[in-house]
Amino acid sequence: DAKTTQPNSMESNEEEPVHLPCNHSTISGTDYIHWYRQLPSQGPEYVIHGLTSNVNNRMASLAIAEDRKSSTLILHRATLRDAAVYYCSPNEKLTFGTGTRLTIIP
Amino acid sequence: EAGVVQSPRYKIIEKKQPVAFWCNPISGHNTLYWYRQNLGQGPELLIRYENEEAVDDSQLPKDRFSAERLKGVDSTLKIQPAELGDSAVYLCASSSWTGGPSSYNEQFFGPGTRLTVL
Repeated sequence: DAKTTQPNSMESNEEEPVHLPCNHSTISGTDYIHWYRQLPSQGPEYVIHGLTSNVNNRMASLAIAEDRKSSTLILHRATLRDAAVYYCSPNEKLTFGTGTRLTIIP
Repeated sequence: EAGVVQSPRYKIIEKKQPVAFWCNPISGHNTLYWYRQNLGQGPELLIRYENEEAVDDSQLPKDRFSAERLKGVDSTLKIQPAELGDSAVYLCASSSWTGGPSSYNEQFFGPGTRLTVL
């Protein structure tokens, strides 16, 4: 199974942009990259997904490397409500690693 | 619209006892998933149903775990007998695949059941 590598934790100041990296070097050619986040005491929730092109939605942007071996989730203006664990998955089966715990500093 | 409902939210049992978790997916969602999340880890898929059929149970420890989704709606995940290492959060998710190039199989998760085995 394809695996991912993410930093264990990151911090960001409120209202600043946040760039969350994910390495998925073994991703297959046709699998999408999926990002979910998990707020404390809740189940994960969908954030964004993409295949090759960069993607934008109301929550975030996803920048995908040309070789698809890595991607970066971008929160343009982090708020306190964005504090969560962020997971990337290299397939629809949602193969999550340990994720990145994002802390927002007021 | 109600989200994915799971019960109980918390369960404490002694080892070797049986335990069951219940999940009610979002109305109309034909795909249902059970995940296990160990402390400090991401969720791991245990089983996926398409309607009544278990289409992926490769990660389900079949010696002690079982699941069913009668009538293709609610689902129950059972552990018998429970072991200390089964302590985790058990998450249920559902999705509705509509097909087509622009559709996406977004999974909606419930709040989970936190199991503690003593």
